[in-house]
Amino acid sequence: QKEVEQNSGPLSVPEGAIASLNCTYSDRVSQSFFWYRQYSGKSPELIMSIYSNGDKEDGRFTAQLNKASQYVSLLIRDSQPSDSATYLCAVNENEKLTFGTGTRLTIIP
Amino acid sequence: DTEVTQTPKHLVMGMTNKKSLKCEQHMGHRAMYWYKQKAKKPPELMFVYSYEKLSINESVPSRFSPECPNSSLLNLHLHALQPEDSALYLCASSPRADTQYFGPGTRLTVL
Repeated sequence: QKEVEQNSGPLSVPEGAIASLNCTYSDRVSQSFFWYRQYSGKSPELIMSIYSNGDKEDGRFTAQLNKASQYVSLLIRDSQPSDSATYLCAVNENEKLTFGTGTRLTIIP
Repeated sequence: DTEVTQTPKHLVMGMTNKKSLKCEQHMGHRAMYWYKQKAKKPPELMFVYSYEKLSINESVPSRFSPECPNSSLLNLHLHALQPEDSALYLCASSPRADTQYFGPGTRLTVL
């Protein structure tokens, strides 16, 4: 069974610091990886996609992928209170997304 | 533009009711999805319409039935639901059956 694992948290980070979120996956043939942000009571919002090994940066967000280690991470620089949310890692295979259980992130002012 | 719209935003129904949820996108995406999400859990895939072909999660009970009238519209018909079906129902669409964009969801309560 394909699995995507995340530390459920909660992860508390001071405002202005770097938040680091991690995700591992079990299926070696997975090719597409995504990070979604979900505020309480709202729907998931896509914030990053990554397909190749290495880093991908978008504003304050950096996604990192290591296919050999089956590991994908999300770094949030200069964390803001508005970054407080649950972050879902998702892995795509055969047109279907498998989600991790999510990491609850709290930014402390 | 990555907007997916869903109606209604909230729905309360009894166990004997029949209701429908509606999802619409006008981005020309060829794949659309229904998910169910319970509190503090990740979304669970229910149905996929991809390139006019339906895929079903076999664990989804038959009281849920999808309908795709055209490539922009996806409905979810609900009949004889149970209280445990209360959840946030999410629709998503994808241009190439990989990156998925979610609508705002319908909060369903079954009494």
